[in-house]
Amino acid sequence: NAGVTQTPKFRILKIGQSMTLQCAQDMNHNYMYWYRQDPGMGLKLIYYSVGAGITDKGEVPNGYNVSRSTTEDFPLRLELAAPSQTSVYFCASSFSGLGPGEQYFGPGTRLTVT
Amino acid sequence: AQRVTQPEKLLSVFKGAPVELKCNYSYSGSPELFWYVQYSRQRLQLLLRHISRESIKGFTADLNKGETSFHLKKPFAQEEDSAMYYCALTGAQKLVFGQGTRLTINP
Repeated sequence: NAGVTQTPKFRILKIGQSMTLQCAQDMNHNYMYWYRQDPGMGLKLIYYSVGAGITDKGEVPNGYNVSRSTTEDFPLRLELAAPSQTSVYFCASSFSGLGPGEQYFGPGTRLTVT
Repeated sequence: AQRVTQPEKLLSVFKGAPVELKCNYSYSGSPELFWYVQYSRQRLQLLLRHISRESIKGFTADLNKGETSFHLKKPFAQEEDSAMYYCALTGAQKLVFGQGTRLTINP
């Protein structure tokens, strides 16, 4: 199993550009999450999904959109990139039978907006 | 509101010394608490959970509901323990993380 995979690993965007961060998992987990990690700020939840077709906002959803058309994929969309979105983005998944506590994380995407 | 506080951003101890990473929480209910760890160039991973009452890599953590704390302890630090540690609690289908503590073990 590949676990949770994320692409790209690194990206530099100009202000106003858009992009999609890809996340996929092959563990048949129904819960998936997107976090951002800013230096010294811990992880903040952006969006999460409890199953295909169901998404919900987390703590910092502004400027982002998500979709969950399949169990495996949970892409994160940035429509108009801003410098405040410079961060490291992590995708994670978990199995509902074990609750949200045991999450499996991807390697992260480091995004810089200039 | 659910909140996790890790008061120390940085913690440095010598090899062989005891380690304690502090975690305090606020939660209206019975929380489930976890410690996650991120070693250099590795993914964030679950270290232990309070329900299991287990010891992983020599680390233990006891939930103290009276003090609303879940401190992570190890009696003798090893150099490979150097990492970023996050305390987290579950609430309604998601995890709430603390700000993290960077632990450095000096030789």
